[in-house]
Amino acid sequence: AQSVTQPDIHITVSEGASLELRCNYSYGATPYLFWYVQSPGQGLQLLLKYFSGDTLVQGIKGFEAEFKRSQSSFNLRKPSVHWSDAAEYFCAVAPTGFQKLVFGTGTRLLVSP
Amino acid sequence: EPEVTQTPSHQVTQMGQEVILRCVPISNHLYFYWYRQILGQKVEFLVSFYNNEISEKSEIFDDQFSVERPDGSNFTLKIRSTKLEDSAMYFCASSEGPGSGDDYEQYFGPGTRLTVT
Repeated sequence: AQSVTQPDIHITVSEGASLELRCNYSYGATPYLFWYVQSPGQGLQLLLKYFSGDTLVQGIKGFEAEFKRSQSSFNLRKPSVHWSDAAEYFCAVAPTGFQKLVFGTGTRLLVSP
Repeated sequence: EPEVTQTPSHQVTQMGQEVILRCVPISNHLYFYWYRQILGQKVEFLVSFYNNEISEKSEIFDDQFSVERPDGSNFTLKIRSTKLEDSAMYFCASSEGPGSGDDYEQYFGPGTRLTVT
């Protein structure tokens, strides 16, 4: 069965510092990969997605993610974190485009002044 | 920008009661989904719906749950007899379908918080 692992439950980053959130997946083929952000009490907003092609994908709010097939990873990065980036970040996979999303457990990002 | 809407934002019900959660997907979308998130836990898939029938459902989606698209705009999730463990945030999502650039993206609504007492 598919699974998604986000090994970091909490991460604290200073404002202006760089960020990397880890995501590993377990699936036989290359699935569709997504990163979502959830602010407190809010719904899920898509940051970026990977289906095929260039393994470095750009998303909204200055985020990017790199797909590494050899490591089954899809890590999310941002070069300079802003206080407004404090939120919960979920990595998700789907075997094909229209099937269910399988979410990781999420990483809560705290931004310190 | 088109968005998925959900009503109500918060529903409180007593154990054993029936609840209906409502969603209005984006108008040209063809695939519809329900997910839930128990407080502090990850988002879990419940069911997907396409062409007026369930295309996939999870183990959570037992006989107490049903979905319906009663008209051209609404997509509902019914829980027949709520249990305490049904307390969660329920998210509706929709996606376009084959043939367009962003057809695989699932757009999520803001959620309905269901509290079963």
